[in-house]
Parts: sequence; structure tokens; C-alpha cells
Amino acid sequence: GQQLNQSPQSMFIQEGEDVSMNCTSSSIFNTWLWYKQDPGEGPVLLIALYKAGELTSNGRLTAQFGTTRKDSFLNISASIPSDVGIYFCAGIGGMLTFGGGTRLMVKP
Amino acid sequence: DAGVTQSPTHLIKTRGQQVTLRCSPKSGHDTVSWYQQALGQGPQFIFQYYEEEERQRGNFPDRFSGHQFPNYSSELNVNALLLGDSALYLCASSLAHYGYTFGSGTRLTVV
Repeated sequence: GQQLNQSPQSMFIQEGEDVSMNCTSSSIFNTWLWYKQDPGEGPVLLIALYKAGELTSNGRLTAQFGTTRKDSFLNISASIPSDVGIYFCAGIGGMLTFGGGTRLMVKP
Repeated sequence: DAGVTQSPTHLIKTRGQQVTLRCSPKSGHDTVSWYQQALGQGPQFIFQYYEEEERQRGNFPDRFSGHQFPNYSSELNVNALLLGDSALYLCASSLAHYGYTFGSGTRLTVV
């Protein structure tokens, strides 16, 4: 079946830092989505990408749909404490398939 | 505008029992998908309903079944519960493949 590999699995952030995470697949997807999930809640859509090469921003978040349609990245600029949570990439190629998630935590 | 609502929010069942989870889609959406999310993992696709029929199915046994009603709401049924069925069950509604919106989920614990 379709598999999405997301990296890193977890990372610590300090307020003000920029954050990057990415997602790769062996399959082609027609649409890439990025979600954030807080504890006890369902995933909330952050950014949707519909065309290969597309670069889309939503406030401090920027995501790109890779030209091969097999990868995508998400950048968060100037991180703030409420950015903590789990970020999932998801691809649509018939069904919506999720990666394993990147857990963002605050540096102690 | 109400989003996706799921009920119940939490549920405890015994091994071997059966369970039914419910989902009301976001207004204007006609497609409902169900996902199982184990602790620390990404959601895994169970199946998708459109026009009251199962359109796609993930790698889940026949113990998992569902239904979609004329008002687009949906149920997920799991028979002969196993300990490994303990998870967060998420419902997502969409208009075809656009606007996937998730509910807060039902936390199922099998003891």
C-alpha cells in the first residue's frame, strides 16, 4: 500500500526558531495536505497543495508540493509556544494516506 | 457552521463485544471516511462512504463495517473486539476529495 515517510519523527524547538519537516513517498499523490493535531483532538488542516511545484503560505507556515509529486515540506518561521503539537503530512491518491507524524516539543 | 461531530467521545468495552461509533459530517459534505489512530502513530484509513456505499477500504478485517445514511451521517461498527482495537477512531467528512475535515474522535478502550 501507499506509505508516507515523515521526518524528523520529533524535534525540540526554542521560541523564535525556524522549523522544517518533510514527507516522502514511493507513490505519486495528486494532493498533499498538512495537518496539526493537538492532544485529545482530531487533525486540523493547515495547508493544502494541489499542483506539483506549488508553494503555499498560511501565516508563518509555508509548504511546497514537490515537482515529482512524491514529496512535500512544511516550514514554520519564528516558532511560538503554541506551535507545539504533532504535524502530519497526508497525500490523496485515491484515499487520504497519512505519514507517521513529526512531534514538535519545546526545549527545556 | 457545525463541523464534524462524533459520538461518543469515550467508550470502554470488553473483549468480544461489539461497538458502534457515530459521525455527523460537516454541512455541505457528502463523503465520510473513518480512520484508526493508535497511540503515537498516524491515522490509518479504514474505509470511505459515498452515496451510502463503501467506496474504498483500507487493510482492515471484515470485523470492521460501516454504514452511511441518506443524510450523509455514518456509523462504524466493530465486532468481536480485540485488545488491539483500542485506539482513537476519527471520522473525516469531505466533498469528494476536497476539504477533508476531521472530528475530535472517539477514544475506544478494550479491556
